[in-house]
Amino acid sequence: SQELEQSPQSLIVQEGKNLTINCTSSKTLYGLYWYKQKYGEGLIFLMMLQKGGEEKSHEKITAKLDEKKQQSSLHITASQPSHAGIYLCGADRETSYDKVIFGPGTSLSVIP
Amino acid sequence: DAGVTQSPTHLIKTRGQQVTLRCSPKSGHDTVSWYQQALGQGPQFIFQYYEEEERQRGNFPDRFSGHQFPNYSSELNVNALLLGDSALYLCASSLPSGGSSYNEQFFGPGTRLTVL
Repeated sequence: SQELEQSPQSLIVQEGKNLTINCTSSKTLYGLYWYKQKYGEGLIFLMMLQKGGEEKSHEKITAKLDEKKQQSSLHITASQPSHAGIYLCGADRETSYDKVIFGPGTSLSVIP
Repeated sequence: DAGVTQSPTHLIKTRGQQVTLRCSPKSGHDTVSWYQQALGQGPQFIFQYYEEEERQRGNFPDRFSGHQFPNYSSELNVNALLLGDSALYLCASSLPSGGSSYNEQFFGPGTRLTVL
């Protein structure tokens, strides 16, 4: 099984709707990162969470890291077509020299 | 600031051939990591270079090798290509980590390698 699991695997929502993507780790996370990827392109850094219970927001995207630091959620409010893409969570291990272990990704489509 | 750049954008090779991919890190960054992303999957860590040496390596065979130059740019070489090597190869650069905090990795646009 993968070290990081993401759910759902894919998501299709109507523009304006809210949505949540989950990332679950089999191990305690030192750091948890969310990236967005347009199909076939490089990754765009969204945000990083380190502390249990931490929550960060950027525009209409909010990410939380649970207290036990083994699960994170990414919430998008009032989705727009520009939010479409693949959302990847990544985990950092304390001694990994910034090596990021990625989840399989969640594909998001937003229908106008 | 040009950010992380990679070349070429696309590449088509046949089985058994060798390929070299190139990466120029973001200005001021001296650590370069390479990732392989197969279709429909998350990126998999290949290796990381710092001070012209391989500092970490993922679970990839010796057919995958790399190099970092004094100007911090890097190359990824893959020998004896297999069909399964077809993927998007991503390069990421970052500042050196002190081991106690994460330095954001900036990703390039990737090189799409197709092996026929």
